[in-house]
Amino acid sequence: GAGVSQTPSNKVTEKGKYVELRCDPISGHTALYWYRQSLGQGPEFLIYFQGTGAADDSGLPNDRFFAVRPEGSVSTLKIQRTERGDSAVYLCASSLTAQGATEAFFGQGTRLTVV
Amino acid sequence: KQEVTQIPAALSVPEGENLVLNCSFTDSAIYNLQWFRQDPGKGLTSLLLIQSSQREQTSGRLNASLDKSSGRSTLYIAASQPGDSATYLCAVVGHFGNEKLTFGTGTRLTIIP
Repeated sequence: GAGVSQTPSNKVTEKGKYVELRCDPISGHTALYWYRQSLGQGPEFLIYFQGTGAADDSGLPNDRFFAVRPEGSVSTLKIQRTERGDSAVYLCASSLTAQGATEAFFGQGTRLTVV
Repeated sequence: KQEVTQIPAALSVPEGENLVLNCSFTDSAIYNLQWFRQDPGKGLTSLLLIQSSQREQTSGRLNASLDKSSGRSTLYIAASQPGDSATYLCAVVGHFGNEKLTFGTGTRLTIIP
């Protein structure tokens, strides 16, 4: 596709359940980022992939959060034992090269609601 | 730790006016700065990217400036239109090799027809 695609667009889950959020970056973009945005706030960094490897996962809030990018393209953010505080919009972005040299392009986000 | 601040948090102006949005950051050692637009319930749309070696970038009615030494950037919007209503976010990338964007909390702009 022409842009970054995220699925699902909305996800409602019960507290304690496991969820997976998918990101399909722009074709050829080697760098992929996950951010989380709470209402009225700017996005907060979670994890950055360069190719298949996680170059920086310092933003993951705890060990319930995990992300993979096995083939260097599609990425999945996984959240175990969801809590109500995990409710937010999860944004994915990709860029052509690393070292912040090019623009980051964002998907439409997945709105996660934990009830 | 880098902190990014945007003032004001909200701004309403009549259609046709020129306006300036402000962004400040605490650590001047940035690699680049990017301005985004976010419509309600949507993702972020990149507006302008300024490398740390540049002073400004222009795209149509938008002009972004960067004063790295003072930790400030401004986004100037000329001849505002109702379609410009959105939240505007600035974000910085740290020094070379640090890829993550650090965002401000945004300025919610409303253009009054």
